[in-house]
Amino acid sequence: AQSVTQPDIHITVSEGASLELRCNYSYGATPYLFWYVQSPGQGLQLLLKYFSGDTLVQGIKGFEAEFKRSQSSFNLRKPSVHWSDAAEYFCAVGAGNAGNMLTFGGGTRLMVKP
Amino acid sequence: NAGVTQTPKFQVLKTGQSMTLQCAQDMNHNSMYWYRQDPGMGLRLIYYSASEGTTDKGEVPNGYNVSRLNKREFSLRLESAAPSQTSVYFCASRIAQGEQYFGPGTRLTVT
Repeated sequence: AQSVTQPDIHITVSEGASLELRCNYSYGATPYLFWYVQSPGQGLQLLLKYFSGDTLVQGIKGFEAEFKRSQSSFNLRKPSVHWSDAAEYFCAVGAGNAGNMLTFGGGTRLMVKP
Repeated sequence: NAGVTQTPKFQVLKTGQSMTLQCAQDMNHNSMYWYRQDPGMGLRLIYYSASEGTTDKGEVPNGYNVSRLNKREFSLRLESAAPSQTSVYFCASRIAQGEQYFGPGTRLTVT
């Protein structure tokens, strides 16, 4: 069975600083990988996804993520964080028919200092 | 397009009561899902429906039932609510070979 680990439960960064959120997955086949963001009291919004091809994927809001098969990782990055990026971030791995079944990590809550 | 809609937004139940959470999508997606979200545990899949007329159990199906009423609608029923079912429930639908789209959630408290 697949699993996802997000080692950092909370992260605090200063506005304008760079950000990296870690995600490690366990899955026996080629994974479909996703990052979602959740603002307080809201549903989840897709930031980016990896299905195949270029291992560096670009997403919305200036985010990017890199798939590293050798490390079973899919870390999310942003070069300069804005106060509006404060939210909870979830990494997920898709299994089954073209990633039909998602398994989520426990989430990382990002706080941004002014 | 409204996307994925869920009703109600909030609900308080007493132990043993029943209720149905409603979900609808207007994106013509085949697959629909129900998740629960608990602090520190991410989202866990309760049930899913790969297409109209089919449903399957996910990771945490006990205490729940589902109905795929038609292509648009997928409901989740709690027959006899328990305090352990206090959670935030999310419905999602999926484009073929693509990502899932989530509704705004239903916050359920069972006392």
